[in-house]
Amino acid sequence: KAGVTQTPRYLIKTRGQQVTLSCSPISGHRSVSWYQQTPGQGLQFLFEYFSETQRNKGNFPGRFSGRQFSNSRSEMNVSTLELGDSALYLCASSLAGAFYEQYFGPGTRLTVT
Amino acid sequence: KQEVTQIPAALSVPEGENLVLNCSFTDSAIYNLQWFRQDPGKGLTSLLLIQSSQREQTSGRLNASLDKSSGRSTLYIAASQPGDSATYLCAVWSRTLNDYKLSFGAGTTVTVRA
Repeated sequence: KAGVTQTPRYLIKTRGQQVTLSCSPISGHRSVSWYQQTPGQGLQFLFEYFSETQRNKGNFPGRFSGRQFSNSRSEMNVSTLELGDSALYLCASSLAGAFYEQYFGPGTRLTVT
Repeated sequence: KQEVTQIPAALSVPEGENLVLNCSFTDSAIYNLQWFRQDPGKGLTSLLLIQSSQREQTSGRLNASLDKSSGRSTLYIAASQPGDSATYLCAVWSRTLNDYKLSFGAGTTVTVRA
């Protein structure tokens, strides 16, 4: 069974640009959650999508948005990038939802210059 | 706002010793508590999940306890091995006004010396 895949794995963007990250969950999983990990703030929950609907949301500004497609693949978009958005972005998929066992992808390393 | 603290921040033990990792949280109204493991440069692996109504969960050499009233959880790893070297994070799902949020501790970095 294939694991969670994230593309791209590495990304360099300039301040003010926007970026879209992609996550493909494990086959059959309907929940995809996104997380940001930085040395200063640690790991923080961004949001969860379940069956194409945002179900839970962390404390991030509206520049961070996401969506989920009918095949459960999810994208996260960050607009007007700031230097502080440089981070490892992880996604996780779950059969029953983020309250339950989650399977994480390897992450996308975003660097904003 | 839920605050999750993990003590100690780092731990180094000789192989074979038992590990005790602590996690505390400020708001006891949690839905569940989860323990994760992160290896350098990699994503997270889910280790154990304890529902708010449970007192402990066990998986192999791992045992996690939960005392919701005192806002504490402890992860025990028996007979540590060098392969247990990693960062261990705890996280709690808490109810907010409109939905639920997952709050993470900063982690405990464990080194098991051969």
